[in-house]
Amino acid sequence: EIVLTQSPATLSLSPGERATLSCRASQSISNFLAWYQQKPGQAPRLLIYDASNRATGIPARFSGSGSGTDFTLTISSLEPEDFAVYYCQQRYNWPPLTFGGGTKVEI
Amino acid sequence: QVQLVESGGGVVQPGRSLRLSCAASGFIFSSYGMHWVRQAPGKGLEWVAVTFFDGSNEYYADSVKGRFTISRDNSKNTLYLQMNSLRAEDTAVYYCAKVLYSYGSSADAFDLWGQGTKVTVSS
Repeated sequence: EIVLTQSPATLSLSPGERATLSCRASQSISNFLAWYQQKPGQAPRLLIYDASNRATGIPARFSGSGSGTDFTLTISSLEPEDFAVYYCQQRYNWPPLTFGGGTKVEI
Repeated sequence: QVQLVESGGGVVQPGRSLRLSCAASGFIFSSYGMHWVRQAPGKGLEWVAVTFFDGSNEYYADSVKGRFTISRDNSKNTLYLQMNSLRAEDTAVYYCAKVLYSYGSSADAFDLWGQGTKVTVSS
């Protein structure tokens, strides 16, 4: 089973700042990584698929990069609505599909 | 309107059964693999099971294998999760989710999620 480790667990930032979230895989997963945003009481929302492709309707301030074992989600300038929990997910080696433990972006 | 709507959650005693449903609309349901993902209170996301677009294959997390069964009725645009021998650790919000690509491997990013249905296993 591929383990995804997200860091940091919590990121404390202010609106307008840049957020950099990390996801590390226990073995190479090529570019088969997705990022999701989840707000309290809501379902997750797909942000990025295949490491760097923005999903439909996702603002350009969200970008993804990386391949192999190290991946990054960058939010170039935080908007108030971006404060949420972010999860990465791999689909390279399955089952099982696996998620990271999440990074909470807080004010 | 493109959406997934889950139902069937509730409070159930350990060892009992429950069946969840997920009604799909606004897209060609029979073209996409479908998954169940759960989230225990205050915890992260855990993948549960997948069924291929045509129902030809299904896979499960080890934590539910032998107890849960995923199925689909493409004529009714509905996904199911039959949960037997429920345990306290199955307590979670259960989401159904659609994969991004049609007719693919069914292991894709999830581009559409339902709102979730809450299952509580407690005596």
